[in-house]
Amino acid sequence: DQQVKQNSPSLSVQEGRISILNCDYTNSMFDYFLWYKKYPAEGPTFLISISSIKDKNEDGRFTVFLNKSAKHLSLHIVPSQPGDSAVYFCAARPGAGNMLTFGGGTRLMVKP
Amino acid sequence: GAGVSQSPRYKVAKRGQDVALRCDPISGHVSLFWYQQALGQGPEFLTYFQNEAQLDKSGLPSDRFFAERPEGSVSTLKIQRTQQEDSAVYLCASSPYTKPLYGYTFGSGTRLTVV
Repeated sequence: DQQVKQNSPSLSVQEGRISILNCDYTNSMFDYFLWYKKYPAEGPTFLISISSIKDKNEDGRFTVFLNKSAKHLSLHIVPSQPGDSAVYFCAARPGAGNMLTFGGGTRLMVKP
Repeated sequence: GAGVSQSPRYKVAKRGQDVALRCDPISGHVSLFWYQQALGQGPEFLTYFQNEAQLDKSGLPSDRFFAERPEGSVSTLKIQRTQQEDSAVYLCASSPYTKPLYGYTFGSGTRLTVV
């Protein structure tokens, strides 16, 4: 039973356009959500996070949106750059725990 | 070092062999995690340490898996009698917080291949 799902295994976007990566979750105990970026042969790198008390968090070109009623979050990258090409994982954590539950990842390809 | 260091980077083991994977967290980081990432999937939680105490080992898949952090710094993940399904990348992560509010810092992982 996957508690965090990323239904799109891959996404291709033109440089300069917006990239939208989606993530759905089922566990209502999750109250903190994170996005990680992973390049080949490297560990995941923390990108941006959002608490369940917010519906939006922005950091430069990256914005995360949270829709609690729909149990859905998304990562927007504007404008997309070729260096953004990587695998993106969303992850969630319950309030009482330290463990992160990850989605399966979405491979983003930004074409020049 | 500046980051989380894992060794070896690659390990090939014959089925039935025991392996030990090492993690050097960022100096002073209280929390340490082990995750397993199978090919094409997201990382899955194995175990969590706060200093030398193993507070959560609910993700360890079987009693062949054992982790320790005896002095609250370096950690070792040991897998006994390796099986083919153990083939994966093993990621270690650390955080300076006892209850991490932000993302952990991950190492580059150890890729284990069991043949």
